[in-house]
Amino acid sequence: DAKTTQPTSMDCAEGRAANLPCNHSTISGNEYVYWYRQIHSQGPQYIIHGLKNNETNEMASLIITEDRKSSTLILPHATLRDTAVYYCIVSIHNYGQNFVFGPGTRLSVLP
Amino acid sequence: NAGVTQTPKFQVLKTGQSMTLQCAQDMNHNSMYWYRQDPGMGLRLIYYSASEGTTDKGEVPNGYNVSRLNKREFSLRLESAAPSQTSVYFCAGEQIGATEAFFGQGTRLTVV
Repeated sequence: DAKTTQPTSMDCAEGRAANLPCNHSTISGNEYVYWYRQIHSQGPQYIIHGLKNNETNEMASLIITEDRKSSTLILPHATLRDTAVYYCIVSIHNYGQNFVFGPGTRLSVLP
Repeated sequence: NAGVTQTPKFQVLKTGQSMTLQCAQDMNHNSMYWYRQDPGMGLRLIYYSASEGTTDKGEVPNGYNVSRLNKREFSLRLESAAPSQTSVYFCAGEQIGATEAFFGQGTRLTVV
């Protein structure tokens, strides 16, 4: 499975957009990009996923570059409750056994 | 719906003791997973069950056994606990065709 590279930590001001980058230069054509987050040692929570096109849901937007070698998760108006570790994962769709959780990005939303 | 429920939430074991971590889901998941998470690290897959009656090893299976008792329940057993198994354990479930996996709240295990 492709590996991902994320910054160790990021800060964001409350109310501003948080842009979390992820590099996945070895992603295969049939692998999706998934984002999960983990708030204070709770179980990870699904945020969004995509294959090629940009995606948006009620939580976030996912921007995938045309060559699919990198992506950005966007939280449009970050709140204090968005403080968490964010994991970028690439995997064949619906094959959770292939999920590789790296250390992720620790996002701190500051008041 | 309770979702994915893990019991117990906390446990302290002595080295060499055995115990079973329980996981139950009421979301009709076909696949279920057990992960462990050590401090400052991401989750690592221990075992998974792609469907009722099947189990397979993940990245770090040594020292563990699992049972997919039925579609709802997937248990993780430590036969002889070691301090290296001190970790937070997460169970997860996933339905075929779904877009996301659902995780339990974790079991914090300390082996002394």
